[in-house]
Amino acid sequence: AQSVTQLGSHVSVSEGALVLLRCNYSSSVPPYLFWYVQYPNQGLQLLLKYTSAATLVKGINGFEAEFKKSETSFHLTKPSAHMSDAAEYFCAVSGGTSGSRLTFGEGTQLTVNP
Amino acid sequence: GAVVSQHPSWVICKSGTSVKIECRSLDFQATTMFWYRQFPKQSLMLMATSNEGSKATYEQGVEKDKFLINHASLTLSTLTVTSAHPEDSSFYICSARGGRLRDQPQHFGDGTRLSIL
Repeated sequence: AQSVTQLGSHVSVSEGALVLLRCNYSSSVPPYLFWYVQYPNQGLQLLLKYTSAATLVKGINGFEAEFKKSETSFHLTKPSAHMSDAAEYFCAVSGGTSGSRLTFGEGTQLTVNP
Repeated sequence: GAVVSQHPSWVICKSGTSVKIECRSLDFQATTMFWYRQFPKQSLMLMATSNEGSKATYEQGVEKDKFLINHASLTLSTLTVTSAHPEDSSFYICSARGGRLRDQPQHFGDGTRLSIL
């Protein structure tokens, strides 16, 4: 079975500061990993995905994530936070016997302070 | 690209009513569609997976007679909440996935807020 753990249900940063959202996964097979963002009362928007190519993945809105197999991690970063980045972020894993089904983490609420 | 439209975005209805939610992939063919339920401040809970032309596969604990799913074409799936009751009130989100490769991401609709009085 696959699982995802997002460390920190709430993260608060100042505008212009580094954003770091943590995600650790568990998978018995090489995983496919995704980061999604959800704004209030909306669906999820794909930020980026890892599919066994480059370990450093660049996504939309200046976000990137690095796949580290030795640490079973896929942390999301952005060098400089904007007010518009305030949202809920979900890390998800798929692959193996789960097929195309996504297993989501519990989410991290990002607050950006002026 | 990869736009998924979900309709309606908001429904309020009386207990006992049946409610249909549509999920459409606008610019790609969705070989697989997924239906999720999300409670406030929580993650998404997968309810069922449907492949075009096949019966939906429901997750454990999800009543298939309560939540009817139809995936009649490669661009449309519907979720019908039958005889809805207040405990069915929730945020329902669909997603669609094109192609057969396992690394294809799911693309999500904007969700439907369902409130049963």
